[in-house]
Amino acid sequence: ETGVTQSPTHLIKTRGQQVTLRCSSQSGHNTVSWYQQALGQGPQFIFQYYREEENGRGNFPPRFSGLQFPNYSSELNVNALELDDSALYLCASSLPDRGDTEAFFGQGTRLTVV
Amino acid sequence: EDQVTQSPEALRLQEGESSSLNCSYTVSGLRGLFWYRQDPGKGPEFLFTLYSAGEEKEKERLKATLTKKESFLHITAPKPEDSATYLCAVQASTGANNLFFGTGTRLTVIP
Repeated sequence: ETGVTQSPTHLIKTRGQQVTLRCSSQSGHNTVSWYQQALGQGPQFIFQYYREEENGRGNFPPRFSGLQFPNYSSELNVNALELDDSALYLCASSLPDRGDTEAFFGQGTRLTVV
Repeated sequence: EDQVTQSPEALRLQEGESSSLNCSYTVSGLRGLFWYRQDPGKGPEFLFTLYSAGEEKEKERLKATLTKKESFLHITAPKPEDSATYLCAVQASTGANNLFFGTGTRLTVIP
């Protein structure tokens, strides 16, 4: 167990709706990264938050947005859902301040858009 | 542009039959190369980080090695419980410390 928890574990939404996914980082970790993993593919970087500020973004449209809270937990919001948004959404936490480069992942949220 | 290519895409081994998985990478300055194991429907589980060419790390039946252009994950005498997808990722020395993943090697170990 990594100590990174995500909720919900599964979700079904209709095209055009909005969704919020949640992540609690490992104790003491101040950096949270979100990834999208389509079936049969490797995870793709969406964005990263470091101490409540966005610290980098991958090639995803603005309808993917996020937040990090003072306790370092995080949310991923996706507006105007499309069928291609169906994927496993992964959250990873790390502590780069200490020089630690390892990222520890949660179990993921499986999002299905119908 | 960062690129990670893993081969083979899928590998079937008999229990006890040792083999290697390959990860070729291109990155603008390597901060670290990572190996993860992923079981179906679960999040990736951290295995190793390698930082410089020539470095090696071992954990049980797994050994990871690194050169300037590729990394190998050697599996010695695998067991059925080693069946999983093995993901390789690189982290660049500039920008956000995000991971750039390959598509993985799906390993099946047959009893």
